[in-house]
Amino acid sequence: EAGVAQSPRYKIIEKRQSVAFWCNPISGHATLYWYQQILGQGPKLLIQFQNNGVVDDSQLPKDRFSAERLKGVDSTLKIQPAKLEDSAVYLCASSREGLAPGELFFGEGSRLTVL
Amino acid sequence: QKEVEQNSGPLSVPEGAIASLNCTYSDRGSQSFFWYRQYSGKSPELIMFIYSNGDKEDGRFTAQLNKASQYVSLLIRDSQPSDSATYLCAPRDMRFGAGTRLTVKP
Repeated sequence: EAGVAQSPRYKIIEKRQSVAFWCNPISGHATLYWYQQILGQGPKLLIQFQNNGVVDDSQLPKDRFSAERLKGVDSTLKIQPAKLEDSAVYLCASSREGLAPGELFFGEGSRLTVL
Repeated sequence: QKEVEQNSGPLSVPEGAIASLNCTYSDRGSQSFFWYRQYSGKSPELIMFIYSNGDKEDGRFTAQLNKASQYVSLLIRDSQPSDSATYLCAPRDMRFGAGTRLTVKP
């Protein structure tokens, strides 16, 4: 079974530029999460999707961050314009509700550096 | 604001000792908790979860949940250097704590 795929793995941009990250969850996983992990901190939940609907986006800075999950499969997280404090690893995770709720499978992450 | 708090550490234990990691939470409605391990430079992975009060054992790992006191803990028996990692706890809403960094010294 293929794992959660994320791209790009690394991205370096200047502040005020825009960036987009892509995530493809494990096949059949209805729930998809985006996390921001700043060095030395725990992952911060940005948004949770159930199929193509948003369950929780209360911690998403909506003035600059946006996310979508069209067709309930893959997802894109966008930052526009980026700030220095957005430098972090962006983790995507998916889960299949029911058998083991709460078991998230994480991708390798996308490391963003904002200069 | 629902919050999960963990001692960020670092926690250092000698090889073979018991490592004790704790997590407190503010939401009395939380019914289940999950412990994840994150090696440096890697993504988190699930260790175990606990739904009910009391202890749950899985190999060298024991999770303990005390709903009255609103804390959950993870005990690692016979700690190994390979257990050196950051341990994250999260309730069902999957909002993680800051994590506790554990170092097991040979």
